Amino acid sequence: AQSVTQLDSQVPVFEEAPVELRCNYSSSVSVYLFWYVQYPNQGLQLLLKYLSGSTLVKGINGFEAEFNKSQTSFHLRKPSVHISDTAEYFCAVSRNAGNMLTFGGGTRLMVKP
Amino acid sequence: DAGVIQSPRHEVTEMGQEVTLRCKPISGHNSLFWYRQTMMRGLELLIYFNNNVPIDDSGMPEDRFSAKMPNASFSTLKIQPSEPRDSAVYFCASSPTLESTEAFFGQGTRLTVV
Repeated sequence: AQSVTQLDSQVPVFEEAPVELRCNYSSSVSVYLFWYVQYPNQGLQLLLKYLSGSTLVKGINGFEAEFNKSQTSFHLRKPSVHISDTAEYFCAVSRNAGNMLTFGGGTRLMVKP
Repeated sequence: DAGVIQSPRHEVTEMGQEVTLRCKPISGHNSLFWYRQTMMRGLELLIYFNNNVPIDDSGMPEDRFSAKMPNASFSTLKIQPSEPRDSAVYFCASSPTLESTEAFFGQGTRLTVV
């Protein structure tokens, strides 16, 4: 079985500041890692994914994440956030690159002017 | 394509009533997933289908929950009888195959059982 822990339930940040949303996972087998974003009253949208290869993954909207196998982490970063980045962000894992996703509890990013 | 379409967007029902949630996946997608989102438990995978066949329903919380996929373009999630603790946002997602690395989510159905 696998699990995902998002250490921060809310992250307030000022516009144009950098941000890091933390994600740790546990699994007895190799997993694939994802970040999804949920804007208010919307479904989830894929931000980025790590399947193999380079541990630094770039996604949409200027976000990137780094897979760290030794620390079992997959933290999401953005060097300069915008008001429009205000949303809930979910880290997720899957055992077989498919879509049977196990989600973390989510982190609400609140960007203030 | 219009994306994954769920209906209704909002549903308010009384405890004990039957509730049916509907989902139309993206045309050509062979895999369909039902998730539930609550404050207490976050996002949970309830059941998923491949080529209209249920593959794993181990996430379905109780026998009161059932899901069907009669054809490639339609799926339902039914709760009978409904209870207040079923109140949640229910998401449907689809992907081209089970091995695809991106799921496309609908906007969800917010269910309130009073």
